[in-house]
Order: sequence, then structure tokens, then C-alpha cells
Amino acid sequence: QVTLKESGPALVKPTQTLRLTCSVSGLSISTTGMRVSWIRQPPGEAPEWLARIDWEDDKFYSTSLQTRLTISKDTSKNQVVLTMTNMDPADTATYYCARDQPASSGSYFWFDPWGPGMLVTVSS
Amino acid sequence: DIQMTQSPSSLSASVGDSVSITCRASQSIATYLNWYQQKPGKAPKVLIYAASTLQSGVPSRFSGSGSGTHFTLTISSLQPEDFATYYCQQSDATPRTFGQGTKVEVK
Repeated sequence: QVTLKESGPALVKPTQTLRLTCSVSGLSISTTGMRVSWIRQPPGEAPEWLARIDWEDDKFYSTSLQTRLTISKDTSKNQVVLTMTNMDPADTATYYCARDQPASSGSYFWFDPWGPGMLVTVSS
Repeated sequence: DIQMTQSPSSLSASVGDSVSITCRASQSIATYLNWYQQKPGKAPKVLIYAASTLQSGVPSRFSGSGSGTHFTLTISSLQPEDFATYYCQQSDATPRTFGQGTKVEVK
């Protein structure tokens, strides 16, 4: 079965760049149809989708955050990396990676599974 | 971006009650609508995809309906483990967007 796990710094200072890694097990991220998204959730708020990378290296970003985000993948390590520049205390959140699970028809997608998430705090 | 609006933001109910949560999209999304359940400290878990298809392993007391811009999640006969926060999410377009959530609390 596919599992994902996030890793990175738990604490960053304002204006720094955050680099998060999503390690995927159970399926190669180069497998046709494999899509991995990053999603964050500030404390007490709803999830917010950030970015997605597909098996063919197509990349998609949040409209409001696209100037600060870069998503990439390291196929040799089966990892997806998200960088976010110019971090602010408002970026304090639990950051998740998740697979865009497709239905057998290929038309419908949902996030499953999710990694356990990691809390990133932005503070000086 | 497609905006998703849930109502109510919270509700109080008792074990055995039937509850419904509404999600509205700012434009038609056909049936590209998913529902998630989230418990404190855990990642969201998908309950329903394609507006009305129950994810494998999810109890049949959960059901979803709707299409276009209006969707409903219904939990019939609420169980103790169902007290949680529920989110809708559209998968019709990128960027994906979530509703603001509905917290189901014990009355």
C-alpha cells in the first residue's frame, strides 16, 4: 500500500525559505498516473491546497501562493520536495503531502492517503 | 478559483440523530465533490468521492448527494466516533479548494 511521510524543519524564522520533503513508499512517483499534492492546515482552520506534481513532471500551484512555491521530485529517492520562500508567521500550519487518488475511471480524484503531517512554526 | 461554502459551521447533535451538512460551489462542478472527516491531530480521511460514492470501508450511515453547485453530506444515526470536523473539497478544477469545515459536536 502507498504511504507518505513529511519531513523538514519544525521551526523557521520569518523571511527564511522552508524546504519540506515527502517520502513516498509502496509506489514509484514515476508510475503513470501518480500525482502528489502538498496541503497545509493552519491551526483551527480548513485545509488549503498548495501544489501538485505529476508523474510526467507537470506542476500546478495555488493561485495566491504560486510566486513563493516550487515543487519538484527526486525519482531516485522517491521523494517530492516543496520549497516556500519568504516565510511569515501566517504560514504557521501543519503541512501534509497526499496522493491524488484516481477512480478506476480516471475522471475523479481525491486525496488519499495522506501523510501524518508536520507542524511548521514560523517565529523569530 | 472555485469557492466552496459549507453550512453550518458547527452543529450540536446526540448519538442516534441524523445530521446533514451542505456544501455549495461558486460554479458548477458536476459531481466532482469529495467529503472528508477529520479528528483532532489527524489527517483528513476521505468518506465520499464523486459526490455520492462511498469510499471502501466507510460505514453506510454516511451518504452524499448533489450535483452542480449544491451538495449534501448526511450522517444517519450518529455514532460516538462521528463527532469530528467535516470538509468538502472540489476536484473539478486546479487549484483544488476546500470548504471551511463543519464541526459536529455532542449536544
